[in-house]
Amino acid sequence: AQSVTQLGSHVSVSEGALVLLRCNYSSSVPPYLFWYVQYPNQGLQLLLKYTTGATLVKGINGFEAEFNKSQTSFHLRKPSVHISDTAEYFCAVTINTGFQKLVFGTGTRLLVSP
Amino acid sequence: DAGVIQSPRHEVTEMGQEVTLRCKPISGHDYLFWYRQTMMRGLELLIYFNNNVPIDDSGMPEDRFSAKMPNASFSTLKIQPSEPRDSAVYFCASSYYYRVTGELFFGEGSRLTVL
Repeated sequence: AQSVTQLGSHVSVSEGALVLLRCNYSSSVPPYLFWYVQYPNQGLQLLLKYTTGATLVKGINGFEAEFNKSQTSFHLRKPSVHISDTAEYFCAVTINTGFQKLVFGTGTRLLVSP
Repeated sequence: DAGVIQSPRHEVTEMGQEVTLRCKPISGHDYLFWYRQTMMRGLELLIYFNNNVPIDDSGMPEDRFSAKMPNASFSTLKIQPSEPRDSAVYFCASSYYYRVTGELFFGEGSRLTVL
């Protein structure tokens, strides 16, 4: 079965700083990987996804993530964060074999301060 | 296009009462998912439907929970009787061609408080 581990439940940075949110996955077959963002009192929305092809994936709001097969990682980063990026970020994994449910990590709360 | 619509957004009820949460998926989507989010357990998949048919309800915690999807544009999650430990945010999500994309579109959630 697939799983994801998000290191760091809380991350605090200053506006304009680089942020890196870590995600490691476990999967016996090539995975599909996702990052979702949840703003306060809202549902989750897709930031970006990796299915096949280029390992560097660019998403909305200036976020990007790199699929690293050897390190089984899919870390999310943004070179310069804004206060509006304050939210909770979830890494998720599934596979394209039959139906496999999307498995979410426990989330990382990002706080961006002025 | 309207997104996934959930109602009510907030529900406060007393232990033992019946609770019904409602979801309207995005038109044309063929998968519908019900998730529960709590601080302790994070996001849990309760049940999902494909073309209105329940496929996997192994995440439904107890017989007190039931879900239906009578047509492609409506689903309900019912808790009867409700208990304080059911307090959580319940999300509905829909997807088109999930087997290929794996992408879910979430509603804004229904926050349930059981006193």
